[in-house]
Amino acid sequence: AQSVTQPDIHITVSEGASLELRCNYSYGATPYLFWYVQSPGQGLQLLLKYFSGDTLVQGIKGFEAEFKRSQSSFNLRKPSVHWSDAAEYFCAVGASGQNFVFGPGTRLSVLP
Amino acid sequence: EAGVAQSPRYKIIEKRQSVAFWCNPISGHATLYWYQQILGQGPKLLIQFQNNGVVDDSQLPKDRFSAERLKGVDSTLKIQPAKLEDSAVYLCASSPTQGNTIYFGEGSWLTVV
Repeated sequence: AQSVTQPDIHITVSEGASLELRCNYSYGATPYLFWYVQSPGQGLQLLLKYFSGDTLVQGIKGFEAEFKRSQSSFNLRKPSVHWSDAAEYFCAVGASGQNFVFGPGTRLSVLP
Repeated sequence: EAGVAQSPRYKIIEKRQSVAFWCNPISGHATLYWYQQILGQGPKLLIQFQNNGVVDDSQLPKDRFSAERLKGVDSTLKIQPAKLEDSAVYLCASSPTQGNTIYFGEGSWLTVV
């Protein structure tokens, strides 16, 4: 069965600092991988996705993620965090014909 | 292109009352999902439709929750009777096909008192 872990429940970074949010998955075949962001009171917005090809994918708002098959990871990165990036971040795994499984989320706080 | 529309955005009801949420997916999207998100947790799939047929409702508490997608477009999720633990955000989402990118609505926030 598919599963997703996000080891960090809450991360705090200073504005302008770099960011890495971790995501590990368990899936038998090559998965589709996604990162979503949820601001307070809002639904989930897609940041980026990986289906195949280049393992480094670029997303919106300056985010990128790297798929590492050997580590079953899909970590999200941003070189310089802005105060508006404070939100909840969810990693998800899916596959063609399969349902998504979401991780528990990582809450990001940004210090001025 | 219009996104996933949901209503109402907020609802407060007393336990044992009923409530219904409406969803209009992105035009042309065959797959529609209802997720429940309890505060501090990730979304949990309640039910998935492919056109107007149910694909997966294994985690839907069928004694109190029901959902339908007539004509393969709009969908309604109903809770009757509501319990305190049903307090959550109910997210509707759609995708072109199962397993493809999912697009979410802004959610319907339910508080049961």
